[in-house]
Amino acid sequence: DILMTQSPSSLSASVGDRVTITCRASQSISSYLNWYQQKPGKAPKVLIYGTSNLQSGVPSRFSGSGSGTDFTLTISGLQPEDFATYYCQQSYSNLGWTFGQGTKVEIK
Amino acid sequence: QVQLQESGPGLVKPSGTLSLTCAVSGGSTSSSIWWGWVRQPPGKGLEWIGDIYHSGSTNYNPSLKSRVTISADKSKNQFSLKLTSVTAADTAVYYCARLSSGYSVFDFWGQGTLVTVSS
Repeated sequence: DILMTQSPSSLSASVGDRVTITCRASQSISSYLNWYQQKPGKAPKVLIYGTSNLQSGVPSRFSGSGSGTDFTLTISGLQPEDFATYYCQQSYSNLGWTFGQGTKVEIK
Repeated sequence: QVQLQESGPGLVKPSGTLSLTCAVSGGSTSSSIWWGWVRQPPGKGLEWIGDIYHSGSTNYNPSLKSRVTISADKSKNQFSLKLTSVTAADTAVYYCARLSSGYSVFDFWGQGTLVTVSS
């Protein structure tokens, strides 16, 4: 299995802040990395696919970068509706898609 | 717009079988797309269970493979999950989702259904 490790597990930030979340894969996954946002009681929602492609309808303040084993999700100008938990997911190996453990973004 | 809706018992006894169905609208389980299941124990992260292709090919999480079966009913445009020999550790919200082609991202999700394993 490809292990996905996110950091930090949680963070506190203020509206307007720039927030960066990191995801590291246990082996190279090329650019097969997706990011999701999940709010309490709701299903996850895809934000970014293929490392840096913004899903239709997702605000441009969300961006993704990286390759190989190290990836980042950046929120440029945190908005009140962005307080949520974020997950990365590798889609390189169909022997088993795996998710990171999640990063909870809380209000400071 | 693709919509997915999970259904099934919300309570399953230990050692029993968890059975869920996902009804698809706005899309077809006969199309060249993978359809999958993901679960989330209360307060925890996401775990991929497995998925099925329109041809009937399946992929399963190795940690669950011995207990999982995913099947599809094209005539009803739905797919199903069976998980046998359940324990309390299988208590979770179960989501069905569409896996898009290309980067294999879960782009459409059901609302999720909580299944509790308890006697």
